[in-house]
Amino acid sequence: EADIYQTPRYLVIGTGKKITLECSQTMGHDKMYWYQQDPGMELHLIHYSYGVNSTEKGDLSSESTVSRIRTEHFPLTLESARPSHTSQYLCASSPTENSPLHFGNGTRLTVT
Amino acid sequence: GQNIDQPTEMTATEGAIVQINCTYQTSGFNGLFWYQQHAGEAPTFLSYNVLDGLEEKGRFSSFLSRSKGYSYLLLKELQMKDSASYLCAVIDSNYQLIWGAGTKLIIKP
Repeated sequence: EADIYQTPRYLVIGTGKKITLECSQTMGHDKMYWYQQDPGMELHLIHYSYGVNSTEKGDLSSESTVSRIRTEHFPLTLESARPSHTSQYLCASSPTENSPLHFGNGTRLTVT
Repeated sequence: GQNIDQPTEMTATEGAIVQINCTYQTSGFNGLFWYQQHAGEAPTFLSYNVLDGLEEKGRFSSFLSRSKGYSYLLLKELQMKDSASYLCAVIDSNYQLIWGAGTKLIIKP
């Protein structure tokens, strides 16, 4: 039973397109995160939020933006997709800073 | 810099026991997580340690020594479905989560 939802599950898109990856959670968690992960590699933090109207940049934030207008919704936007953006994008949430993260099923993005 | 070290890959036999080690050097410590990640899927939470000692959860146990910057995940009675990557992650003094690269565990019949 998923409490955190990501759409789309898979996306193939051409270079230069603007895309938004959706993430919603129904648990009322304040903390939300976006990670990028290539197969067999570690998680890299892109952006995070500690609550409504709060967003912070992670290690890989320079080519993307996020917004947190509502507690349950934390979309990630790539302004101009590039082949180097091909990866899996994982959204996660937690109630507090030292609680386990709940992950969505991920969006597997391919940029051609 | 902050660093978490785990073996890249381990192989074990079905029914056996395996220990996956994690050593960390971070700016402060506020807890350590172990996650399981099957190929192509999202990580799922296994255990949390904040105090020294052993936490047991069924077939899985996790140990922490803060003075040594060391943790291990112990998996008993291995099953084929335990084939996955196991991720160690540490919460630092700023409550940032530092991730290891993960240990790929291969279970052989």
